[in-house]
Amino acid sequence: DAGVIQSPRHEVTEMGQEVTLRCKPISGHDYLFWYRQTMMRGLELLIYFNNNVPIDDSGMPEDRFSAKMPNASFSTLKIQPSEPRDSAVYFCAIRDDVLTFGAGSRLTVL
Amino acid sequence: AQSVTQLDSHVSVSEGTPVLLRCNYSSSYSPSLFWYVQHPNKGLQLLLKYTSAATLVKGINGFEAEFKKSETSFHLTKPSAHMSDAAEYFCVVSEGPKLIFGTGTRLQVFP
Repeated sequence: DAGVIQSPRHEVTEMGQEVTLRCKPISGHDYLFWYRQTMMRGLELLIYFNNNVPIDDSGMPEDRFSAKMPNASFSTLKIQPSEPRDSAVYFCAIRDDVLTFGAGSRLTVL
Repeated sequence: AQSVTQLDSHVSVSEGTPVLLRCNYSSSYSPSLFWYVQHPNKGLQLLLKYTSAATLVKGINGFEAEFKKSETSFHLTKPSAHMSDAAEYFCVVSEGPKLIFGTGTRLQVFP
């Protein structure tokens, strides 16, 4: 996990609130990915960036979800407004030769 | 499109017995394949990867996997299970820069 720092590790919020998840890659990479993991749907790829540019966002479930990567050391995933079905663990991962995951952000929307 | 199918959602073994986690892949060309492990409430960790250099790939913690093109399989094995091996295991295929994950196999290890 040392290659990718995610925050917050846990977040509990109420339906309708805005949620921002953060990802800080420590090591060098060309690609950055956002995944979501739930019991029902497993691991889903939401979006990925190449050299800070979004390449494929077809996995983003709705317009309520948005992701940015203003520089190589920082990315955010925002949900506005949040809904209970967004409850999941969100992982950020970077890829050079292999995919290295962060520890994840566990989101609970009440 | 590339895909992987993990044939068992749950596998239970006794400590000290062999482990076999099965994975079949679908790919239109020679794929890059991986196994990742996820311990409870943790992120995903790379166990091993296959990139066509050798069909038998050795990973961490005594795991290995064999690429069999004729069977389109990439099964994960370990000769002797340890209690600490209890986790979720994911077979993964590369599609360009993206990694496509299987649905996972939960391994239980009984004393």
